Amino acid sequence: NAGVTQTPKFRILKIGQSMTLQCTQDMNHNYMYWYRQDPGMGLKLIYYSVGAGITDKGEVPNGYNVSRSTTEDFPLRLELAAPSQTSVYFCASSPRGSNQPQHFGDGTRLSIL
Amino acid sequence: GENVEQHPSTLSVQEGDSAVIKCTYSDSASNYFPWYKQELGKGPQLIIDIRSNVGEKKDQRIAVTLNKTAKHFSLHITETQPEDSAVYFCAASKGGSYIPTFGRGTSLIVHP
Repeated sequence: NAGVTQTPKFRILKIGQSMTLQCTQDMNHNYMYWYRQDPGMGLKLIYYSVGAGITDKGEVPNGYNVSRSTTEDFPLRLELAAPSQTSVYFCASSPRGSNQPQHFGDGTRLSIL
Repeated sequence: GENVEQHPSTLSVQEGDSAVIKCTYSDSASNYFPWYKQELGKGPQLIIDIRSNVGEKKDQRIAVTLNKTAKHFSLHITETQPEDSAVYFCAASKGGSYIPTFGRGTSLIVHP
C-alpha cells in the first residue's frame, strides 16, 4: 500500500492565484484531515471529513475549501492565495476517527509570493 | 475543549542518554494517547500509543507512561541515537470526537 499520497510536493504561487492540493489514500479509511504546519509550530486543523460527501471546518478554515466525493480522495482548494497561507500542508487519514492513529502524507510545501 | 500542553519545546541530549518528553491534558474523558515522530521533510508517523486502561507500554527503546489521575503522559526514549533526532508530537482524543488534540511538539536533538 502507498498509504497517504500528496501532490505536489512543492509549489510556488503568486498572490491571488488558485490551486488545489491533492490527497489520496489507499487504506479505505473513513476519516481524512487537512493540517497546516507553520515553521517551528504544531499542527493546525483546517478541515476534516468523516466520509464521502461529509466535510466540516477545523480550527483555521478561512481561505480554504474541501470536497470529498470518494473515500480515497480529499482535495484542498485555495481560491485566492495570500502570503499568510505560506506553510506546509499535511493530509492525514484514520480508519475510525479519533481513537485510532492517523496516517500522514509527506506534505506539500507551499510558498506564496 | 481539550487542551494538550507539551514540554520541553527543545531537548538536547548526548548519544546514549535517555530522553523524556511530557504532556498534560485537560479533558478527563480522553482515553487515547498517541505519539508521533516527524523527521525533517516528512509527515508525522506514529511510534507508540497508549489507551486509558493501560499504565505503561514499551516497544524496544521507547516507552509511554500514563497517569490518569494527574492527567499526564510521557514518552521515554532510552539509549538515544542520532537517528532519534526529530520533532515529537503527543496527542489526546476521546471516543465520539473525530478530532485529536496535538501538543505543540518537542524538537529532540541527539548529539553523537
